[in-house]
Amino acid sequence: QSALTQPASVSGSPGQSITISCTGSTSDVGGFIYVSWYQHFPGKAPKLMIHEVNNRPSGVSNRFSGSKSANTAYLTISALQAEDEADYYCSSYTSRNTLIFGGGTKLTVL
Amino acid sequence: QVQLVESGGGVVQPGRSLRLSCVASGLTVNTNALHWVRQAPGKGLEWVAVISYDGSEIYYADSVRGRFTISRDNSMTTLYLQMDSLRAEDTAVYYCARDRRSCCYFGMDVWGQGTTVTVSS
Repeated sequence: QSALTQPASVSGSPGQSITISCTGSTSDVGGFIYVSWYQHFPGKAPKLMIHEVNNRPSGVSNRFSGSKSANTAYLTISALQAEDEADYYCSSYTSRNTLIFGGGTKLTVL
Repeated sequence: QVQLVESGGGVVQPGRSLRLSCVASGLTVNTNALHWVRQAPGKGLEWVAVISYDGSEIYYADSVRGRFTISRDNSMTTLYLQMDSLRAEDTAVYYCARDRRSCCYFGMDVWGQGTTVTVSS
């Protein structure tokens, strides 16, 4: 099964908002609420930012939010900060009882 | 300190086997599903396998099904990944991660630092 589709890169200036998309199908993103988003700094452990489409774990800034429409999920980061510069991955449960990740998006804070 | 610690990585020849371990310390894992996730050099994250809190449910990615075996020992709070018939494309950093729930896809809220597996002749 191919990875979920994410833009390879996005960028924004400090204080701005950006949105990262994650497109799948009715067999994954569109069919279930089990969509998560992870922040990953190279060489470090990934960090859960959003689970079940739009839920933030304790300790994650409320500048991070998630949503979904049809077969596409979105991660929005508001009031962008330099420390947000990282790789971001979406993941989704699939109808085959597996998990699939997106290809990853590199966020650059200008 | 709350952490998952992987071990067992190394350099191995194609076709050989390797077993990875992941020990939990300072956190509860006995009531949580556990995953293995990998990242090949220059590539994105790839989910490998998951095991439910009691081992009754196990699922694998197509790329490893039939070659890899996930297991857990709750008495020792340890997760394992037995990797057989290794291929060059299995070269990656392997992470273990705790699921938020007993099974199986509610988000991975604790991750280890990873152990590196290199498959090369």
